[in-house]
Formats: sequence, C-alpha cells, structure tokens
Amino acid sequence: GAVVSQHPSRVICKSGTSVKIECRSLDFQATTMFWYRQFPKQSLMLMATSNEGSKATYEQGVEKDKFLINHASLTLSTLTVTSAHPEDSSFYICSAGGGAGETQYFGPGTRLLVL
Amino acid sequence: AQSVTQLDSHVSVSEGTPVLLRCNYSSSYSPSLFWYVQHPNKGLQLLLKYTSAATLVKGINGFEAEFKKSETSFHLTKPSAHMSDAAEYFCVVSDLGNNDMRFGAGTRLTVKP
Repeated sequence: GAVVSQHPSRVICKSGTSVKIECRSLDFQATTMFWYRQFPKQSLMLMATSNEGSKATYEQGVEKDKFLINHASLTLSTLTVTSAHPEDSSFYICSAGGGAGETQYFGPGTRLLVL
Repeated sequence: AQSVTQLDSHVSVSEGTPVLLRCNYSSSYSPSLFWYVQHPNKGLQLLLKYTSAATLVKGINGFEAEFKKSETSFHLTKPSAHMSDAAEYFCVVSDLGNNDMRFGAGTRLTVKP
C-alpha cells in the first residue's frame, strides 16, 4: 500500500529557531499533500494544502509567513516553522493521496517541542 | 464547506460487546466519508471509506459503517470489541468538489476486560 514518511519524527528546538519537517510519498507521486496540526487530545486541523510547483493554499487563521510550505517535487513537501515559539509545540502530520474524495495516506507525524 | 460531528467524545465497552461510534456529516456535494483510527504514538490508519458505491462499507479488523443520506450519518460499528480496538477514532468527510478532508473531533474508544 501507499506509504508516507515524515522526518524527523521528533524535534526539540529553542525558541526563535526554525524547524523543517519533511513529508515524502515513498511509492507513489502526489501532486497534492496536506499538512495538519494536532494538539493533545484534540482532532487534526488542516493547516494548508501543498501543491507541487505552485504556492500552498493556507486555511484561515494559519500564518503563511510562519509556516512555510515548499512542494518542490511529486514526492516531497516540506513545512518550515519559522521563528518557532512554545505555542507552536504540537504534533504535525502530513498526508498525500489521490484527487478529490480519494483516500489520503498519512505520515506518522512529527512531534515538535519548542523550549 | 463540509464538516463532521462525532457525537461521543468517549465510548467505553466491554470486550466482546458491540461497538457503535456515531458520526454525522454536512456536505454541499456528494461526500466521500472515511473512518481513521489512531493508536497511541502511531500514525493514522484507514479503517474504511465510502465513495458513492455500496452504502454498507466493510473495513479492516471487522469494522463496518453504513452511509445513510436521509440521516446524514456514517456510524461505525463492530459486532464484538477486542482489547486491541482501544484507540482514537476519527470520522472524516471530503467533498468531491474539493480536495481537502475535514476531521471530526474524535472518539476515544476504551475496551474493558
């Protein structure tokens, strides 16, 4: 089946630094990938839609200058949390898959802790 | 825009008894509906999906769900709970008109011995 990986699985950083999270589709190509954020004991919230070769589409309330998304190839999307602060600490999950209404395959998530 | 409501934040059942996790959806188009399971410290796993074919959908691990348009529901059921079913379950809707998925708040299933 389709596999999506994320790297790193866990990262701890100091406040003010930037952190890059990678999302890869290992055995299929994905023109669209999604980035979610999950707070403890809460549901996943869609942050943005990453489109290969074009700008990402951000959900309302998500700062595009804070969460930089780059989808440079059909198998890789990156999320960079710039100038991270403790309130950015969360579980970040990406997904990739088919078109509208199709199954999305989720990465294992990246746990970010900002000190 | 599409949305889902999971009616129970926590469901507790005894091992061997039936499981019912409730989900209602709202959609402007013909929806695709999914149930995902998230075990502690693990990624999301697809249990089953409905995409306008048969209204009764069978998934993995003995789970199934029935799409009822008249009730805008997509409840998840299993005849007999197993200890390994204890996890967080998410109902998800995706409109055919767009590409993104909207998650419900999740239902935590506890299975007692």
